[in-house]
Amino acid sequence: EVQLVDSGGDLVQPGGSLRLSCTAAGFDFSNAFMSWVRQAPGKGLEWVGRIKSKTDGGPTEYAAPVKGRFSISRDDSKNILFLQMNSLKIEDAAVYYCARQLFSGHDYWGQGTLVSVSS
Amino acid sequence: QSVLTQPPSVSAAPGQKVIISCSGSSSNIGNNFVSWYQQLPGTAPKFLIYESNKRPSGIPDRFSGSKSGTSATLGITGLQTGDEADYYCETWDSSLSAFVFGTGTRVTVL
Repeated sequence: EVQLVDSGGDLVQPGGSLRLSCTAAGFDFSNAFMSWVRQAPGKGLEWVGRIKSKTDGGPTEYAAPVKGRFSISRDDSKNILFLQMNSLKIEDAAVYYCARQLFSGHDYWGQGTLVSVSS
Repeated sequence: QSVLTQPPSVSAAPGQKVIISCSGSSSNIGNNFVSWYQQLPGTAPKFLIYESNKRPSGIPDRFSGSKSGTSATLGITGLQTGDEADYYCETWDSSLSAFVFGTGTRVTVL
């Protein structure tokens, strides 16, 4: 059974940093393309970025609002996806989901982890 | 703001049909497949449709997708109270080099 478990959400001050994790199980994680998607309170879904498998290579891609501040990485030996968030802004507050990419969509999602940004 | 436009809400009585539209452009829907998701309150999105009109295993055939030009639609027939949720379209935008989601549609069963 495919499982994605998100963790690491917390309350941080504006300008602070936070690292989220997504632990995967039940599929070949090393060959999967993985995304982070966020959802601000009461708002819609917003794609944050994507990392391809190492064999497919290519640059990690990011949405414009987070480019230069957020970084996605992966540890294929431990089946963990990371989202490093720096220079956090009030508008980054959201539930963050990791999701596995399938074709042109995302078939499995984590349960989400809440990031709050406030002074 | 999202580059994919959906109606904020649609509603119908139990057993009836609803259609949700998703409007984009040539850089996204016009040249890429569309996916659809159902999000029940307080839960993660659920994969409903991929490659514009295919259903993943376990998704009932009451849910259907189609695409024409720069627009896509999700249809739900035999509406049930359990279908009350937010629905989102998604596709790749070749100009932005990013996945983009629709604005979301709330389905209400009257």
